[in-house]
Formats: sequence, C-alpha cells, structure tokens
Amino acid sequence: ETGVTQSPTHLIKTRGQQVTLRCSSQSGHNTVSWYQQALGQGPQFIFQYYREEENGRGNFPPRFSGLQFPNYSSELNVNALELDDSALYLCASSQGLLAGANVLTFGAGSRLTVL
Amino acid sequence: GESVGLHLPTLSVQEGDNSIINCAYSNSASDYFIWYKQESGKGPQFIIDIRSNMDKRQGQRVTVLLNKTVKHLSLQIAATQPGDSAVYFCAENIGQGSARQLTFGSGTQLTVLP
Repeated sequence: ETGVTQSPTHLIKTRGQQVTLRCSSQSGHNTVSWYQQALGQGPQFIFQYYREEENGRGNFPPRFSGLQFPNYSSELNVNALELDDSALYLCASSQGLLAGANVLTFGAGSRLTVL
Repeated sequence: GESVGLHLPTLSVQEGDNSIINCAYSNSASDYFIWYKQESGKGPQFIIDIRSNMDKRQGQRVTVLLNKTVKHLSLQIAATQPGDSAVYFCAENIGQGSARQLTFGSGTQLTVLP
C-alpha cells in the first residue's frame, strides 16, 4: 500500500505570487486534510476535504483554497503569497471523518519559501 | 482560544532509560488524543492514540496516560533508543463526528544520548 505523497518537495516563490501544492492520498483513504507547519512549531489545520467538498476549515484567510478530485487526490492553492506563508505544508489522508476511526497519515510535506 | 501545550520544549535521556513526555490541554470538550513523532525532513508519524473514555493505553514500548481531571496527557517510551530521537507532538480532536481537525502542541525535542 502506498503512503501519502506530496509534490513538489521544495519550492521558492516571491511575495505576491501564487502556488499550487499537490497530494496523493494513501490507498483506500477518501479524506484529505492540509496543515501548515511553521519552523519550530506544531502543524496548524488549514482545511479538510471529503467527497470533493471542504468539510471544516481552520483560521486561514480565503486566499488559501483547495480542491479534492474524484480519485481523492488534492491540491492546496495559495494566492497573493506573503512572507509569513513560508512553512512546511503537510497533507494527511484518512478513511472517513470520525476521529479515532482511522488516524491521519501524513506525507513528508512541501517546503515553501517566500522571498 | 484553547490550545494544546507542552511543559518542556526539550528532553535528553540516556539510551536505555525510560522517557516521559508531557502535554497539557485546556479544552474539556476534546475526546480524542494522538501522539505523533516527527523526524527531521519527514512528516509526523502516528505513535499511539487514546479516547477520552480511557485513561491508559499501551503499544509497543509506548504508553499513553490521560488524566482528564487535570487535563494532562503523557507519553512514556520504554528503553529509549537512538532511533527515538525526534520531535514529539500531542494533538487533540474536538467533537466526535466533526471534521478531523487536530490541534497540535508546539512539540518536545527528544534527544537520546549514547
């Protein structure tokens, strides 16, 4: 069984640009969540997608948006990049929505640097 | 708002000793807790979880204790090995049936000394 894969692994953007990060969920998982992890901090929940719809969102502005595709893969889009958006972006997949039914399986992340 | 926090940012232990990593949470509505391990350059890796209707759960070399009275969570690692060196995060989930939104603490860096 394959795990969660994310691309790209590293990228550098300049302030004001837009970025798209991609995630393939673990085989058998239909729910995808995105987290932002600033250096030296714990991951912060951005949003979750289930059945191609956003199902829960953290305290992030609308310029953070996402998509989930029929094959359960997902994209995170960030518009009008700011310096504080520099972070490790983690994708996590799970089977279903109920906490405890299955734990989140995280990918290795995409390291975004905004200059 | 309420958040998960950790008592100590760093912990150093001798190889072979037991490790205890502590975590305080403040949201009494949290009903599910997870410990994750994150090695450098990798995503968080699941270690063990516990529901709020339990006070102890054991895995392979790891035990999680939950004290709801004082809102405290701990992770015990037996016979700590060099491969255990990593940052450990506790995370909580609020509300069964809600989006699986985990709130993470800031992490504890565990260093295993030879």
